[in-house]
Amino acid sequence: KQEVTQIPAALSVPEGENLVLNCSFTDSAIYNLQWFRQDPGKGLTSLLLIQSSQREQTSGRLNASLDKSSGRSTLYIAASQPGDSATYLCAVRPLIQGAQKLVFGQGTRLTINP
Amino acid sequence: DAGVIQSPRHEVTEMGQEVTLRCKPISGHNSLFWYRQTMMRGLELLIYFNNNVPIDDSGMPEDRFSAKMPNASFSTLKIQPSEPRDSAVYFCASSPRGGAANTGELFFGEGSRLTVL
Repeated sequence: KQEVTQIPAALSVPEGENLVLNCSFTDSAIYNLQWFRQDPGKGLTSLLLIQSSQREQTSGRLNASLDKSSGRSTLYIAASQPGDSATYLCAVRPLIQGAQKLVFGQGTRLTINP
Repeated sequence: DAGVIQSPRHEVTEMGQEVTLRCKPISGHNSLFWYRQTMMRGLELLIYFNNNVPIDDSGMPEDRFSAKMPNASFSTLKIQPSEPRDSAVYFCASSPRGGAANTGELFFGEGSRLTVL
């Protein structure tokens, strides 16, 4: 059974710092991995999606990497801003024919202090 | 473009009452997912549909839960009778499916926060 773990559960850093959020998964047979952001009381917003054949994806100040063989992904946030404060979740889609369900981690709650 | 639309945003009801949550997926998306989020268990997939057909409902907790998708633009999740332990945020999400151009990216609605007293 695929399990996704995100460490740390919470992170607080000063504004302007570069930071890395971690995601690990137990089964390397995945179709893709997706990073989401969730603001309090809101839904999930897709940030980046990495297909299993890709090593990384970039969007603005965000860069996500994927190492399937070691079961790890990282989300790098450059020059953090208070507006980046949110919970970040990663989710993997198992490589099972016909399966579209995502398996989510518990998230990392990020606070950027001005 | 309109995203996934859910209603109601908030629902407070008493134990034993019927609850119906509604979802309108993004136009053109043919996969629809219902998730439940709680502090203790995080995000759990309840059921998903492809082309209006339920594919996997193994996450539906009990017979008290049922979901339907009568057409490509509408789905409901019903709880009858509701219990306090059903209190959670229920999310609907949609995704395009199939074809080389479709990445399988998932788009979420804002959620329906359910409180059962």
